[in-house]
Amino acid sequence: EVVLTQSPGRLSLSPGEKATLSCRASQGVTSSYLAWYQQKPGQAPRLLIYGASSRATGIPDRFSGSGSGTDFTLTISRLEPEDFAVYYCQQYGSSPDSFGQGTKLEIK
Amino acid sequence: QEQLLESGPGLVKPSETLSLTCTVSGDSIGRYFWSWIRQPPGKGLEWVGYIYYSGRTHYNPSLKSRVTISLDTSKNQFSLNLNSVTAADTAVYYCAKPMIPSATYAFEIWGQGKMVTVSS
Repeated sequence: EVVLTQSPGRLSLSPGEKATLSCRASQGVTSSYLAWYQQKPGQAPRLLIYGASSRATGIPDRFSGSGSGTDFTLTISRLEPEDFAVYYCQQYGSSPDSFGQGTKLEIK
Repeated sequence: QEQLLESGPGLVKPSETLSLTCTVSGDSIGRYFWSWIRQPPGKGLEWVGYIYYSGRTHYNPSLKSRVTISLDTSKNQFSLNLNSVTAADTAVYYCAKPMIPSATYAFEIWGQGKMVTVSS
């Protein structure tokens, strides 16, 4: 199983700042099949990024993904109040699918 | 607009079987790999398994001996059975659909989630 490790576990920033979230895989992610999700309390996860760098439908362009192999990054260029949530990475290139443990993005 | 909705008991006794159904509305259940994902309270996400519209299944090895996923195309539903449950199976259970047909891929559509508690 591919183990995904996200860092930091918690990130405190202010609206307007830039957020950089990391996801590291225990082995190379096949075909950059890496996704990022946003989850708010009491809600299902929402797909933000797939294929490491492609934005899902309706996702604002302040969200961007990058990386390949074992190291991936989600960047939020200018934080809006609604962006404070928990973010998960997921790899779907090797079975079983696996998720990182999450990064909680909180308001400073 | 396509929607997924989980249904089933919210409370299951230890050693019994957890049974949930996901109803797909707004689209046909055909040609997709339909998944179950769970999330224990305050914790992260765990993929449980999927079923393809042909009936082919694949499960997380950590749960494989206890999981069965089935499909009812006439009702546009798929179901999860998890037997011999313990408190560790207490979680929100989500059903989810990938972005593209005929492939395992990122999950674009999620149900609202069903909280299931294992307790006597």
